[in-house]
Amino acid sequence: AQSVTQPDIHITVSEGASLELRCNYSYGATPYLFWYVQSPGQGLQLLLKYFSGDTLVQGIKGFEAEFKRSQSSFNLRKPSVHWSDAAEYFCAVPSDSNYQLIWGAGTKLIIKP
Amino acid sequence: SQTIHQWPATLVQPVGSPLSLECTVEGTSNPNLYWYRQAAGRGLQLLFYSVGIGQISSEVPQNLSASRPQDRQFILSSKKLLLSDSGFYLCAWSATGLLSGYTFGSGTRLTVV
Repeated sequence: AQSVTQPDIHITVSEGASLELRCNYSYGATPYLFWYVQSPGQGLQLLLKYFSGDTLVQGIKGFEAEFKRSQSSFNLRKPSVHWSDAAEYFCAVPSDSNYQLIWGAGTKLIIKP
Repeated sequence: SQTIHQWPATLVQPVGSPLSLECTVEGTSNPNLYWYRQAAGRGLQLLFYSVGIGQISSEVPQNLSASRPQDRQFILSSKKLLLSDSGFYLCAWSATGLLSGYTFGSGTRLTVV
């Protein structure tokens, strides 16, 4: 069955520093992969998605993610974080039935001034 | 363009009272619809999803129920709220096949007192 692992519950980075959030998946075929962001008290917003083709995907707010089939990973990156990036980030893949997304547990990003 | 509306934004209800949360989608037809809950410090828990009018799939046995009386309307209900029903409730929609992922509503913060 499909599954998603986000091994880091919290990550703290300094403002202006680079960021990488990890996501590992288990999926039978070439996966669709998604990253979402949730600011406190808000709904989730789609950052980027991967379906096929170029393994480096650009998203909104300066984020990118790289699909690595050999590592079953889809890590989210940003070269320089801003205080407004403080939020929780979720990785997701479709379920077997393709009716729903399977979610990672989320990684809370804390920005140090 | 498609939009999703969820209300109310916040709700404080006494234990034993009924609940009705409503979600509507505009600008698309035959969407897949979802209700999720986030308890404090927890990830996303899928409660119900629907692939068509009157079709409801329940993921977790509990004190809640869902209905889809119209194509773009999804309602989450309870006859008698429990303290454990407190949380952040999110409605989402997707197109068939999940190629665009989910679009989430802005959420309802429910506090049962």
